[in-house]
Amino acid sequence: DQQVKQNSPSLSVQEGRISILNCDYTNSMFDYFLWYKKYPAEGPTFLISISSIKDKNEDGRFTVFLNKSAKHLSLHIVPSQPGDSAVYFCAASGGDSNSGYALNFGKGTSLLVTP
Amino acid sequence: DSGVTQTPKHLITATGQRVTLRCSPRSGDLSVYWYQQSLDQGLQFLIQYYNGEERAKGNILERFSAQQFPDLHSELNLSSLELGDSALYFCASSRDLTGELFFGEGSRLTVL
Repeated sequence: DQQVKQNSPSLSVQEGRISILNCDYTNSMFDYFLWYKKYPAEGPTFLISISSIKDKNEDGRFTVFLNKSAKHLSLHIVPSQPGDSAVYFCAASGGDSNSGYALNFGKGTSLLVTP
Repeated sequence: DSGVTQTPKHLITATGQRVTLRCSPRSGDLSVYWYQQSLDQGLQFLIQYYNGEERAKGNILERFSAQQFPDLHSELNLSSLELGDSALYFCASSRDLTGELFFGEGSRLTVL
């Protein structure tokens, strides 16, 4: 049962433009959301997070938006750079006691930024 | 370099066999997580340990088991291996029970 969904397996954006990666979740108990970035042959690395008490968090070129009523979050990258080409995973935590605080991940979106 | 070390990086074995994957967390991190990434799948949470004790369980098969030792390193044991167990297995660690996870580079298991 996939509680975190990234419905776009891939996205291609031109350098300098905005990249928008989307994520939906089904568990209303989730209260902490993160984005991870993964390059080939490497483990995922933390990018940015947001707690459910906020609706926006910004870090340099990266901004995460959270819409709790829609159970939706998005990652905006502005401006996009070729080095941003990677797989981006959305993750959420805060579910039931069985899952503790382990992160639930989506399947990832492969972003390609072209020159 | 995340500071999380996983061995081996690659492992090829046959169906029915048993393997052990090892993880050393970042210095000072008490929590260790295991995730499985199969083809076209996201990162599936398997199990979490905190300071030596099992803290949370995800979609871990009964053929799989794990433990965290007093020095905080962890091992994931996979037995009676099947073709479908071929995947990347990631270990991650965190300072405490919540928050940012730091991932190792993964152990790629191929079952033939």
